[in-house]
Amino acid sequence: DQQVKQNSPSLSVQEGRISILNCDYTNSMFDYFLWYKKYPAEGPTFLISISSIKDKNEDGRFTVFLNKSAKHLSLHIVPSQPGDSAVYFCAATRRFNAGGTSYGKLTFGQGTILTVHP
Amino acid sequence: DAGVIQSPRHEVTEMGQEVTLRCKPISGHNSLFWYRQTMMRGLELLIYFNNNVPIDDSGMPEDRFSAKMPNASFSTLKIQPSEPRDSAVYFCASSPGTSRREQFFGPGTRLTVL
Repeated sequence: DQQVKQNSPSLSVQEGRISILNCDYTNSMFDYFLWYKKYPAEGPTFLISISSIKDKNEDGRFTVFLNKSAKHLSLHIVPSQPGDSAVYFCAATRRFNAGGTSYGKLTFGQGTILTVHP
Repeated sequence: DAGVIQSPRHEVTEMGQEVTLRCKPISGHNSLFWYRQTMMRGLELLIYFNNNVPIDDSGMPEDRFSAKMPNASFSTLKIQPSEPRDSAVYFCASSPGTSRREQFFGPGTRLTVL
């Protein structure tokens, strides 16, 4: 049961243009969403997040949009740079209660390979 | 400030051998997570510790896998005996446990079981 889906395995964009990465989720209990970037032989690096009480969050060149009714979020990178070439993972979380502790358990999508051409 | 540290970065072993992966979380973080990444299943959570106590181990595949966190600065993931299907990249992540819920990942250990 894939609760978080990134339907595009790859995306190719010209330097300076906009990159749009998409993510869909099925679990309506998710209330916090994150994007991670991963280079080869490195761990995922946190990029940007958004709470379900918002529909947009911006940080420099990166903006995340959340459409709760469609259960869809997207990451916009403007302008795209060659150094942005990496695998991008969408992740979603909800509060779990276990052992008397509340925590956010991340569920990841399969990732999208972004290639930005000079 | 150092990030999450994992060792070894690469491990090649033979089927049936014991494998121990190590993790040092970011100082001050009270949550620690072990993940496994494979082509087939992507990134999946194995176990979660909060304040050194295992809270959720529902992702641990079977009894051959065990994890410990003897103190706030060290955790191990052990596989005994190892099998070829355990070959994957294993990530450790830590989190400050704030309301923002970001997790910070180490570089991973690439495990190959022959």
